[in-house]
Amino acid sequence: DAGVIQSPRHEVTEMGQEVTLRCKPISGHNSLFWYRQTMMRGLELLIYFNNNVPIDDSGMPEDRFSAKMPNASFSTLKIQPSEPRDSAVYFCASSLKGVYEQYFGPGTRLTVT
Amino acid sequence: AQSVTQLDSHVSVSEGTPVLLRCNYSSSYSPSLFWYVQHPNKGLQLLLKYTSAATLVKGINGFEAEFKKSETSFHLTKPSAHMSDAAEYFCVVSDDAGKSTFGDGTTLTVKP
Repeated sequence: DAGVIQSPRHEVTEMGQEVTLRCKPISGHNSLFWYRQTMMRGLELLIYFNNNVPIDDSGMPEDRFSAKMPNASFSTLKIQPSEPRDSAVYFCASSLKGVYEQYFGPGTRLTVT
Repeated sequence: AQSVTQLDSHVSVSEGTPVLLRCNYSSSYSPSLFWYVQHPNKGLQLLLKYTSAATLVKGINGFEAEFKKSETSFHLTKPSAHMSDAAEYFCVVSDDAGKSTFGDGTTLTVKP
């Protein structure tokens, strides 16, 4: 299995631009998680989905952030407009519901200037 | 509600000596517990998991952890540290819905 796939691996953008991060979970997994990691705040859960349905988005920082999962094999995290404080590494993870261990992608390093 | 406390933000050991990374948890039910490792500029990798089976859990790379309900602890150990073990380690507790709470992480340094 290819594991969790994230794209792009690196993204540099200017403040105010829209950013879209993409994730392909492991085939057969039905839970998907988006995390953000920074030195200051550590690893934060932003949102997670079960069977493509958002279950808990309480970690989404503000309305500039949105996430979708149109099907079982694809999810996006969008930031519009982006701000320098959004600079972080964003991880996607997937799991099989009921099994609980999560498999992480390599992350997307976002830099907003 | 659930929570995880990693008692040490940094641990430094010499190569060949034992490793102990401490984790306490709080949960209102029987939790699932995990340890993940993150090497620099990499994603998180599962080291081991406890899901109400044997209380002593063996993981990859010689690591193991013991679930102690009376102490609400799930400490990670390894008998002999290797240079390649230098990384950040996360203790995680999950509820019945699969929502995971991560600890703040412990950075392990291994000195030659």
